[in-house]
Amino acid sequence: DTEVTQTPKHLVMGMTNKKSLKCEQHMGHRAMYWYKQKAKKPPELMFVYSYEKLSINESVPSRFSPECPNSSLLNLHLHALQPEDSALYLCASSQGRQVGNYEQYFGPGTRLTVT
Amino acid sequence: RKEVEQDPGPFNVPEGATVAFNCTYSNSASQSFFWYRQDCRKEPKLLMSVYSSGNEDGRFTAQLNRASQYISLLIRDSKLSDSATYLCVVFRPEGFQKLVFGTGTRLLVSP
Repeated sequence: DTEVTQTPKHLVMGMTNKKSLKCEQHMGHRAMYWYKQKAKKPPELMFVYSYEKLSINESVPSRFSPECPNSSLLNLHLHALQPEDSALYLCASSQGRQVGNYEQYFGPGTRLTVT
Repeated sequence: RKEVEQDPGPFNVPEGATVAFNCTYSNSASQSFFWYRQDCRKEPKLLMSVYSSGNEDGRFTAQLNRASQYISLLIRDSKLSDSATYLCVVFRPEGFQKLVFGTGTRLLVSP
């Protein structure tokens, strides 16, 4: 059983909606990540939180907004999305961000459809 | 040239066969290497980390060749449940540090 949980499992939203994806990890990890994965493609990193601070923010559109309330929780706020944002959104966590403890463990994902 | 390259497959093998996947990476400074498996419409699951000396976990053996910048995964006695996509993953330690995923190799094990 995965120790990284994500809700909801599926989400359908219109382009004017605001919604949030949630992630929780129970492994005491101090780094958490959001990835986006399109069909038949590898995961693409969107955001990284390390010790609850956003340490790297790739060039992700501002319609995606991450939040890390504490070291075990991660949210992704969605607003005014486009149909091309439809994808599997994966949360992951790792012990840290240093070499040697970088094994990342993924949650089951939220399958998002934007209509 | 892609930072991590894999043969996309698919590899079609019968049950009980031995199959090997290869992966090359371009950044010689890379230090951590992993194999993940991903089932259709599921999340990637860590299969094994790859160490310099090579490592084995049951039917799975991973090898690393730093000189050739090459990683391999060997699966012995294939099971139907091994059917999945296998992702070669490399940690980029410089600049923008992150895991870099290959596009994956699809394995289909048939009865």
